[in-house]
Amino acid sequence: KNEVEQSPQNLTAQEGEFITINCSYSVGISALHWLQQHPGGGIVSLFMLSSGKKKHGRLIATINIQEKHSSLHITASHPRDSAVYICAYTPTSGTYKYIFGTGTRLKVLA
Amino acid sequence: DAGVIQSPRHEVTEMGQEVTLRCKPISGHDYLFWYRQTMMRGLELLIYFNNNVPIDDSGMPEDRFSAKMPNASFSTLKIQPSEPRDSAVYFCASNRQGPNEKLFFGSGTQLSVL
Repeated sequence: KNEVEQSPQNLTAQEGEFITINCSYSVGISALHWLQQHPGGGIVSLFMLSSGKKKHGRLIATINIQEKHSSLHITASHPRDSAVYICAYTPTSGTYKYIFGTGTRLKVLA
Repeated sequence: DAGVIQSPRHEVTEMGQEVTLRCKPISGHDYLFWYRQTMMRGLELLIYFNNNVPIDDSGMPEDRFSAKMPNASFSTLKIQPSEPRDSAVYFCASNRQGPNEKLFFGSGTQLSVL
């Protein structure tokens, strides 16, 4: 069983729509990461957060430590946002292993 | 900064051949990670180094896989002999301080073992 659950697995949206991707985990964590993988394959780290909220441009990431849940929001979505979004965490157990979700495949239509 | 540099971008080889993947981390980054990505298993950590020393290689699938980091600016991941099930995208990533910091990924090596 994957220790990180992402939903939805696939998402198609129209340009301009507000998008939310969810991530749930079941253990104590040091930090949660959101990654973006474009169709060409490259992976970019979007956010690292351990509490509260972070914003970068049209992207917003939130985390609720008590509920073990994080969300990634995209405002005014654009076709260039089409990518796979991956949630990952680093546990508090001391290992430096990032535990990855299987990703949410987003397609934004013009 | 040029970012994390991996080579080759694509590698096609025949079963039984030796494969060597290369990575140059960002200068000043003390941590280097090797990941493998497949459709079935997603991203998996194979091994990571801190200051050129292998710290955790528990993700290395078997003895056919080996990784080295002879200096702060170069690492290799070697598969010998390669098998079709090794076909995957192999990513190298680095950062300054380990897990509680953003990772910087290379562009990956697409490996196909026929």
